[in-house]
Amino acid sequence: RKEVEQDPGPFNVPEGATVAFNCTYSNSASQSFFWYRQDCRKEPKLLMSVYSSGNEDGRFTAQLNRASQYISLLIRDSKLSDSATYLCVVIEAGTALIFGKGTTLSVSS
Amino acid sequence: EPEVTQTPSHQVTQMGQEVILRCVPISNHLYFYWYRQILGQKVEFLVSFYNNEISEKSEIFDDQFSVERPDGSNFTLKIRSTKLEDSAMYFCASSAPGPNEQFFGPGTRLTVL
Repeated sequence: RKEVEQDPGPFNVPEGATVAFNCTYSNSASQSFFWYRQDCRKEPKLLMSVYSSGNEDGRFTAQLNRASQYISLLIRDSKLSDSATYLCVVIEAGTALIFGKGTTLSVSS
Repeated sequence: EPEVTQTPSHQVTQMGQEVILRCVPISNHLYFYWYRQILGQKVEFLVSFYNNEISEKSEIFDDQFSVERPDGSNFTLKIRSTKLEDSAMYFCASSAPGPNEQFFGPGTRLTVL
């Protein structure tokens, strides 16, 4: 069974905090990895792809550990606008995105 | 910035009726997808389409479902005889040149009564 597992949260943090989300995937042959964000009743929006070497985009850093089948997302200096659900997404083979259920982040002032 | 568009934004239908959901993918993209999200649940893959044929489909995508690219811009999902459990948000997505980074449309909320 294809699985992408995430802690559902919610994570409630103050503005300026650093928060980390984790995700595990079941298929060791998975090929591609992403973080998407989804606002309430909206479409998933690509946040960043995740590479084996790790990658950073502004306040966001993603890491991939293939040996442990583990993906992480770190958000530094949280903003109110970061409040959303963060979706861990994997392509095992072929074309289908396999989504986790998401981790909810609420940033408060 | 180019984006995927979908129509209608909300469709209400009676059980047993046929519905067609429409999508206009990003113009230079070559792969097209349909996903659905039942309220409160995770996003689920339905089907991918490339070079005018289905390249992959999930177990959800049974004989009730079909996809078509009727012209150079539109991509449609047809549900032949809707069931109550088909009520969900249906998202279209596209990508290019390969299937990796997929960009989603705003979705069509389908309500089956």
